[in-house]
Amino acid sequence: LAKTTQPISMDSYEGQEVNITCSHNNIATNDYITWYQQFPSQGPRFIIQGYKTKVTNEVASLFIPADRKSSTLSLPRVSLSDTAVYYCLVGDVRDDKIIFGKGTRLHILP
Amino acid sequence: NAGVMQNPRHLVRRRGQEARLRCSPMKGHSHVYWYRQLPEEGLKFMVYLQKENIIDESGMPKERFSAEFPKEGPSILRIQQVVRGDSAAYFCASSLFRTGDYEQYFGPGTRLTVT
Repeated sequence: LAKTTQPISMDSYEGQEVNITCSHNNIATNDYITWYQQFPSQGPRFIIQGYKTKVTNEVASLFIPADRKSSTLSLPRVSLSDTAVYYCLVGDVRDDKIIFGKGTRLHILP
Repeated sequence: NAGVMQNPRHLVRRRGQEARLRCSPMKGHSHVYWYRQLPEEGLKFMVYLQKENIIDESGMPKERFSAEFPKEGPSILRIQQVVRGDSAAYFCASSLFRTGDYEQYFGPGTRLTVT
């Protein structure tokens, strides 16, 4: 599985747009990029997944450049409840298991 | 439509005792995964099961740990003769398909404390 690198932590303020970038230089042709969110004392929750260009859903947007060596999770107008750990995962969706890194601890301030 | 259920939510065991963690997947899901999370760490894959079959146990310690997913009833992760290092949060996830979208639905976890 491709190794990912993302910031250990980030702070932002309510109402701001937050962008979390993930580097995955060794991404393979069959790999997808998936983001999970984990609140304290809860299990992770799937946010968004993409292969290339841009994907948007009701929660977030995912931007993937043409070379796919990085990706950016964009959270519009964050609130205090968006404080969580965000995991960037890269792998072949045919794999059975998900490999989690340490994620990015996002702290939203009032 | 209930999500993934895990019980107990908190479990305290003394060293040497056995711990049994239960996981009921989402309705209709026949694929179950167990993960372990240490404080300040990401989740580590342990085992993947389908009904009555262990598909991938590459992340499971060779000794003291076992998992099952019987035809009827929840999946069970069993830890024999627990040690302090087993203290962690154990998460179960389920999915509808084995492959396809990397989307797994996680339960709230069981926090095991070994004293």
